[in-house]
Amino acid sequence: GQNIDQPTEMTATEGAIVQINCTYQTSGFNGLFWYQQHAGEAPTFLSYNVLDGLEEKGRFSSFLSRSKGYSYLLLKELQMKDSASYLCAVRDRRRGGGNKLTFGTGTQLKVEL
Amino acid sequence: KAGVTQTPRYLIKTRGQQVTLSCSPISGHRSVSWYQQTPGQGLQFLFEYFSETQRNKGNFPGRFSGRQFSNSRSEMNVSTLELGDSALYLCASSTGTGSPYEQYFGPGTRLTVT
Repeated sequence: GQNIDQPTEMTATEGAIVQINCTYQTSGFNGLFWYQQHAGEAPTFLSYNVLDGLEEKGRFSSFLSRSKGYSYLLLKELQMKDSASYLCAVRDRRRGGGNKLTFGTGTQLKVEL
Repeated sequence: KAGVTQTPRYLIKTRGQQVTLSCSPISGHRSVSWYQQTPGQGLQFLFEYFSETQRNKGNFPGRFSGRQFSNSRSEMNVSTLELGDSALYLCASSTGTGSPYEQYFGPGTRLTVT
C-alpha cells in the first residue's frame, strides 16, 4: 500500500516562494502527481514526476527523489489566486497498468498580502 | 473540447437507500476513475474502469460498485447508504494508455445521507 504525508497548512506572502513537501512510502511506485484544488472545485493537474529531478512549468516546479521517497512542489511569485489545497498523489505500479492514485490529505496554502 | 461532466451535482438521500451517480468523460478518453473525498480522509480511490472493464479497485466495501458503457460513460452505485457515505464523489477521465495518464476531474457530486 501507500502512505503519504504532507503538511496540513502553510501561509506565505504574495510575491514570495513557497515549497510544499511530500513524503511517501510505497510498495510499488509509478509516478507522483501534484494537483491544485480550490475550495468547492475539482482538482486540477499541476505536474507529474516519474524520474528523479526537477520538472519546471512556469511558476510551478516539482522535484522527486525516489530513493528518499520525497517530492516537493515549488511555487514562485505567489499570487493571491494560489491560495488553495495542494494534493500530492502517488501512482501504484500494477501489472494491469492503469490509474490507482493514492492521495495525501492535502496542504492548505494561504497567500497573504 | 468539453470537460468531464457529472450528474447530479447534489443529492440528498436517507440511510438504507441506494444511489447511482453518472460520469461522462472527455471525448476519446477510455479510462474513468472514481474517488470519494471527505474532510477527514481526503481523496480516496474507489475504482477505475477502462474499456468497460474494472482495471483497478480501492479498499471500499462491496456496497460500492460501478460500471462503464461502450461510450466510456460510467456509473457508480452505492447501496444501503450509511451516514458515513456523505462525501463529494469525483470522477476523473484519462486516455488510459501511455504516460503520464494525466487525469481530468469532473466537478463532483455532493452526496448527503441523512
